[in-house]
Amino acid sequence: AQKVTQAQTEISVVEKEDVTLDCVYETRDTTYYLFWYKQPPSGELVFLIRRNSFDEQNEISGRYSWNFQKSTSSFNFTITASQVVDSAVYFCALRPPISGGSYIPTFGRGTSLIVHP
Amino acid sequence: EAGVAQSPRYKIIEKRQSVAFWCNPISGHATLYWYQQILGQGPKLLIQFQNNGVVDDSQLPKDRFSAERLKGVDSTLKIQPAKLEDSAVYLCASSQGQLGRNTEAFFGQGTRLTVV
Repeated sequence: AQKVTQAQTEISVVEKEDVTLDCVYETRDTTYYLFWYKQPPSGELVFLIRRNSFDEQNEISGRYSWNFQKSTSSFNFTITASQVVDSAVYFCALRPPISGGSYIPTFGRGTSLIVHP
Repeated sequence: EAGVAQSPRYKIIEKRQSVAFWCNPISGHATLYWYQQILGQGPKLLIQFQNNGVVDDSQLPKDRFSAERLKGVDSTLKIQPAKLEDSAVYLCASSQGQLGRNTEAFFGQGTRLTVV
C-alpha cells in the first residue's frame, strides 16, 4: 500500500521568510515518482516538480528547492524568500510504476501555506 | 495553448438527483483523468482513459458513477443518484503520450459539487 503524509496542515509565514513543506511517503515499490503540485484558490493543480526514485540529486528552480532523501522516505519542498503569491495549498504525490497499463497516484492531504505581506 | 476546460464550475443538487460534469482536455492529449477531491483531502483518481478506452476505473464507485469519452476527446462524468458524501471538487486532467508515461498531467479548475 502507498501512503503520503503531509503532517503540516497549515503554515503561516510573513513575506520574505523561508518555509519548508514536509512530505513523507511509504511504498513497497523500488521504482516510483514523487511530485509536488500547487493548488491556488482558483482550484487547478499546477505541476511543480517530478522526481524519479533513483535520482536523489536535489533540485533548485528559482526560489523553489526540493530535498529528496530516500533513506528517510522524504521529499521536502522549500520556498526561499516567500511571496504573497505563494499562498496556496501544496500537495505531495507518489506515483507507482505503470502496472497493467495504468497507475494510481496517491496524494497527501495537502499543506495550506499562507504568506502574509 | 488552451488548458483543460471543465464545466460547470459550481453545481448544487439535492441528494438522489443526477448530475453530469464535462471536460475538454488539452488538444492532442491522449490520456484523460477524473479525480475527486473532498474538502481537506488530496485528489483521488476515479478513472483514467487512454483515447476512448478505459485504462483504470478501479476506484470509481460504479453503482452510481459513470464516465465516458466516446470520441477520445472530451469526457463526461455522471453521478446518479447523488449522495451527500459526493460533495467534492471533481478535477479533470489530461496528459500527452501513451498511458501518461513520463508526461505530466495538466489539471482543469474543477467542478465544485454540493449535494444537499
